[in-house]
Amino acid sequence: QKEVEQNSGPLSVPEGAIASLNCTYSDRGSQSFFWYRQYSGKSPELIMFIYSNGDKEDGRFTAQLNKASQYVSLLIRDSQPSDSATYLCAVTPSYNTDKLIFGTGTRLQVFP
Amino acid sequence: GAVVSQHPSWVICKSGTSVKIECRSLDFQATTMFWYRQFPKQSLMLMATSNEGSKATYEQGVEKDKFLINHASLTLSTLTVTSAHPEDSSFYICSAKEWRGAWYEQYFGPGTRLTVT
Repeated sequence: QKEVEQNSGPLSVPEGAIASLNCTYSDRGSQSFFWYRQYSGKSPELIMFIYSNGDKEDGRFTAQLNKASQYVSLLIRDSQPSDSATYLCAVTPSYNTDKLIFGTGTRLQVFP
Repeated sequence: GAVVSQHPSWVICKSGTSVKIECRSLDFQATTMFWYRQFPKQSLMLMATSNEGSKATYEQGVEKDKFLINHASLTLSTLTVTSAHPEDSSFYICSAKEWRGAWYEQYFGPGTRLTVT
């Protein structure tokens, strides 16, 4: 079982819709969770992080964490074509809080 | 947010030669930096953790004699790919941690694309 799993996609949504990206992780002791956006040929940029169960909102983005289910998601409201990118879920493992373990990413396509 | 730079942004080298990649934290001091490698359509794989003033910690399967890491100052870490081969062609990305008062945030450099011919 991979430490961090994501559906590779592509996830296609129309402009203005809500995009829902999901991620599961295997280390029950993980405490920190991050969502990064990566455009093709570029390095990742941090969108949001979440530490506590529940929802965390920042503009059009909402991160949701459910530690009991070992599940973290990212919702993008009012999706724009510029949101088209690969979204990487990253988790800090309990055995080394210095590290980030990345999922393989979900490619999002927002069409006009 | 904090800025991390990498140099060069891309490099082409011949098989058997060595290539050095620099990673700098421009507006903060980073005691810990990380080196990742990303192959096309794959995720980032952590290669090693670079600690200022001490030896790097390599991930399982990464050859420490092939990928030399030096973190000589609080703002600079270097990765040297020695005796490069075509299979080393990849996108190499560094990151640096900054303490934000209640948590660490990791900032990524723009990456270095290495092509070995």
